Amino acid sequence: QSVLTQPPSASGAPGQRVTISCSGSGSNIGRESVNWYQHLPGTAPRLLIYGDNKRPSGVPDRFSGSKSGTSASLAISGLQSEDEADYYCAAWDDSLNGPVFGGGTKLTVL
Amino acid sequence: QVQLQESGPGLVKPSQTLSLTCTVSGGSITSGDYYWSWIRQPPGKGLEWIGYIYHSGRIYYNPSLKSRVTISSDTSKNQFSLKVNSVTAADTAVYFCARGRSSNGWTPWFDPWGQGTLVTVSS
Repeated sequence: QSVLTQPPSASGAPGQRVTISCSGSGSNIGRESVNWYQHLPGTAPRLLIYGDNKRPSGVPDRFSGSKSGTSASLAISGLQSEDEADYYCAAWDDSLNGPVFGGGTKLTVL
Repeated sequence: QVQLQESGPGLVKPSQTLSLTCTVSGGSITSGDYYWSWIRQPPGKGLEWIGYIYHSGRIYYNPSLKSRVTISSDTSKNQFSLKVNSVTAADTAVYFCARGRSSNGWTPWFDPWGQGTLVTVSS
């Protein structure tokens, strides 16, 4: 079981907006920033969001991150077929004294 | 542009030692404020942080794996390595190396990553 909880799947039609949630606790998301990664199996994971809501250069502004309390969300607007992938949240955990990840959410573009 | 590539045996017998190397190109592992990291993903499961070696040489491990894991670096080859002792089937996973960094006290983020290498523990 992963320390951070994500829904196993999400879906949306092209052009729609989808949000993926990530639930944690006071020892991780409640105190520390959240990062998000995109992963197509067989390829290198890609950093999408760091510091809760910051996008690295090259990541489209269709991707956005937010956080409230012990939960965080990744929103993808203007959904495209190329967005079909697995998405993972991550945060520092003060109990582990290291980063922890969510179990991942498989996004399907209908 | 920094790139990372994992290498090592794809099959390890139970109770033996898993050994992987990450070769870094396009940048030095001794420069910059980076955490050179190992992360794994068991089949059908989420990601698990294994540990990292800081550019200064200080090493940090996941407490759940600390007794069996060793991370080291070879600056002459611009590589860092992972060893996991006494492996079992539970250590079967895709192993990724990645470059981590942080600022403002934020959770370290990993970018870029290697493509990952599958290591199967089986007799």
